[in-house]
Amino acid sequence: AQSVTQPDIHITVSEGASLELRCNYSYGATPYLFWYVQSPGQGLQLLLKYFSGDTLVQGIKGFEAEFKRSQSSFNLRKPSVHWSDAAEYFCAVGVSGTYKYIFGTGTRLKVLA
Amino acid sequence: ETGVTQTPRHLVMGMTNKKSLKCEQHLGHNAMYWYKQSAKKPLELMFVYSLEERVENNSVPSRFSPECPNSSHLFLHLHTLQPEDSALYLCASSQDPYNEQFFGPGTRLTVL
Repeated sequence: AQSVTQPDIHITVSEGASLELRCNYSYGATPYLFWYVQSPGQGLQLLLKYFSGDTLVQGIKGFEAEFKRSQSSFNLRKPSVHWSDAAEYFCAVGVSGTYKYIFGTGTRLKVLA
Repeated sequence: ETGVTQTPRHLVMGMTNKKSLKCEQHLGHNAMYWYKQSAKKPLELMFVYSLEERVENNSVPSRFSPECPNSSHLFLHLHTLQPEDSALYLCASSQDPYNEQFFGPGTRLTVL
């Protein structure tokens, strides 16, 4: 069955530290992969996406993610976290040929000043 | 207005009320979506419309009734809801299945 796992429910980092949020997926074909961010009381904003090609993708706000087919992973990274990055982050896989996205349960990021 | 807008942003209703949620997209997209977001659960896709035709209906109870009068507007009609239906309801749109979805800010629904 198709699924997305975000193993870390909560992560706390200090401002200026590096960040890596994990995402593992289970999907039979080449996936369309997404990372979204949600601030409190807001909808989801797209950070970046992977459809094909270069496995290291750049997104907005200084985020990047790397698609590793052998590990079924699409981890999100940022070299230096800002206090404004505190939010909830969702990984999603798009099911090819349909309108369906499968979302992970999210990782809530807290940033210490 | 730009992007995807939703009204109202907050709604409190009793179990016997009838209310509607409205979504409007200003992006020229062809597909629109309703999601339910509950605490500690993944986003649940409820309905998808493509070119005003319903293409996905994920076993949603009949007390939720969607309507898509044109490609820019999407409604979710609510009646005789249960307290467990309290959640954030998100609307989204996309150009087609192969492009990213753009989300509205959501309607926070509380059922008393």
